[in-house]
Amino acid sequence: QVQLQQWGAGLLKPSETLSLTCAVYGAPFSGYYWTWIRQPPGRGLEWIGEINHRGSTNYNPSLRSRVTTSVDTSKNQFSLNLRSVTAADTAVYYCARVRGATRHLDYWGQGTLVTVSS
Amino acid sequence: SYELAQPVSVSVALGQTARITCGGNNIETKYVHWYQQKPGQAPVLVIFTDSNRPYGIPERFSGSKSGNTASLTISRAQGGDEADYYCQVWDSSTAAFGGGTKLTVL
Repeated sequence: QVQLQQWGAGLLKPSETLSLTCAVYGAPFSGYYWTWIRQPPGRGLEWIGEINHRGSTNYNPSLRSRVTTSVDTSKNQFSLNLRSVTAADTAVYYCARVRGATRHLDYWGQGTLVTVSS
Repeated sequence: SYELAQPVSVSVALGQTARITCGGNNIETKYVHWYQQKPGQAPVLVIFTDSNRPYGIPERFSGSKSGNTASLTISRAQGGDEADYYCQVWDSSTAAFGGGTKLTVL
């Protein structure tokens, strides 16, 4: 059974860096892209970016200047850093797996609420 | 950025058929995926590549695409189908989500 388990700080001050990690269990890490999505309270889903086991990345152009993703293949984990956060970055953040050539998101983490407040 | 248009809300009587649409430019050239999200939960994939159901998703859920519009159809709607539904495609190595549709079962 594939499981994605994510964690990270839930409360940040403006200008700080958001850091989240997602661990993958029950599935090979190689051969997939791994992605981050966020959802502001009461709003829709927004794609942040993705990374594969080799470290190749794609990012949402609107967030690219502040986003960094990384992988630790020895631990089957991938991480998200979002710099210089503001209240507009308050959201539930999800990690997910991108499946194959069709690129649907077949497994999701449980979500982490990150609140940015002074 | 690529935009996908969904109705904000759709209502359906219990046991009837609901249809949720997703419009986008040249969507006929893209794979469309659909996700169901219930309050406080992570999204769940219900349809991938336009019309395929993942294992464990009831046959009542189906997907189709015609012209510039993709559709998610839920037959014999149940109270447990009440949720937000999102369509999603990839465009130029970037994922795009529709704004989401709230399905209410009356």
